[in-house]
Amino acid sequence: EAQVTQNPRYLITVTGKKLTVTCSQNMNHEYMSWYRQDPGLGLRQIYYSMNVEVTDKGDVPEGYKVSRKEKRNFPLILESPSPNQTSLYFCASSFSGRGRGYTFGSGTRLTVV
Amino acid sequence: AQSVTQLDSQVPVFEEAPVELRCNYSSSVSVYLFWYVQYPNQGLQLLLKYLSGSTLVKGINGFEAEFNKSQTSFHLRKPSVHISDTAEYFCAVTRRGGADGLTFGKGTHLIIQP
Repeated sequence: EAQVTQNPRYLITVTGKKLTVTCSQNMNHEYMSWYRQDPGLGLRQIYYSMNVEVTDKGDVPEGYKVSRKEKRNFPLILESPSPNQTSLYFCASSFSGRGRGYTFGSGTRLTVV
Repeated sequence: AQSVTQLDSQVPVFEEAPVELRCNYSSSVSVYLFWYVQYPNQGLQLLLKYLSGSTLVKGINGFEAEFNKSQTSFHLRKPSVHISDTAEYFCAVTRRGGADGLTFGKGTHLIIQP
């Protein structure tokens, strides 16, 4: 089944403790991105990647890092999480012709205390 | 840069009534347009998309949307809603040939009343 898989689905952590949210897709998509969803704000893009070793900042990149060493994986790294990063995170992927639409993962609900 | 405005944060509708969810966008370049649906505690699912051609686009679950270039709108419609349509609906745009991703509106919560 074609899908984007995120792990974990739920995570509670403490301020300052480094964490990684994984994202993997099995559709050979070139394009991958991360979004965060907050009430009343919709989804905002954090980082995106057009292909292996090519990443760029989205609208809200502060406090996040990403890497794209393999085409299928695009992990989101929080080096020192803070409570304002408590949010619902989505990974998405697409072929480079993005009119084909994006496939989203099921989301990761992160709480930083 | 693009922006998307969803004019209603909540839309209450009685079951079997028609519904329209409004979306306006702003962009200096040509865009692709999308509507996504998010059911409670789930991810986003593509409802429909406008790429080019006919301005009336049909999607899944009986939804359709009409692209209006002069009014820069892409409103979503369904002639008769069901309880199962209760969800959050997001309008989104992306630049044709652009390197960046989707720009989303803030969402419209569709509430179906029995």
